[in-house]
Amino acid sequence: EPEVTQTPSHQVTQMGQEVILRCVPISNHLYFYWYRQILGQKVEFLVSFYNNEISEKSEIFDDQFSVERPDGSNFTLKIRSTKLEDSAMYFCASSEGLGVPGYGYTFGSGTRLTVV
Amino acid sequence: QKEVEQNSGPLSVPEGAIASLNCTYSDRVSQSFFWYRQYSGKSPELIMSIYSNGDKEDGRFTAQLNKASQYVSLLIRDSQPSDSATYLCAVSSGSARQLTFGSGTQLTVLP
Repeated sequence: EPEVTQTPSHQVTQMGQEVILRCVPISNHLYFYWYRQILGQKVEFLVSFYNNEISEKSEIFDDQFSVERPDGSNFTLKIRSTKLEDSAMYFCASSEGLGVPGYGYTFGSGTRLTVV
Repeated sequence: QKEVEQNSGPLSVPEGAIASLNCTYSDRVSQSFFWYRQYSGKSPELIMSIYSNGDKEDGRFTAQLNKASQYVSLLIRDSQPSDSATYLCAVSSGSARQLTFGSGTQLTVLP
């Protein structure tokens, strides 16, 4: 079964450093998403990406965050200057299409980001 | 502010029993509704999606949707210990159909 692949599985970084989280969505999927889950809390939407641009973003997705699809396969989330409160599990997800019956997201296995 | 509310549990049922999980949502224009299962430290795994009022069955799982009451539920028949997990209700809306998740209900199936 096709998978969404995320790397690394765990990243430890110092406060103020830049991190890039990487994702390879399922190849025929058109919509890409980043979500995060702080330990013990809800899964929260960050941003959606379609046709090489951001289609929606949440209040969490401020100027320190950016996304990019640098080639035909990778989808990245960059956090420019990490803060302690950015520590969370970050999930990438992809979807085949909004109008496809039974469309559902496929989530990657996540990257656990720890900011120290 | 779009809200999705779930009973946090924990909910314990004996093996073989029916587990009933409930969810309400605030945004009347929500289009699609999902149940995900999440094991500790893992990513959400899609169990069921439902779009129309009524029931939808898939194996041991039945999702129920009532848009007038803004209510979604998940029934798990013949519960197994391997069903023990946190069950997340999610509602999609917005142009990109982004998901708003509930806080999840922790289910324990006792052998």
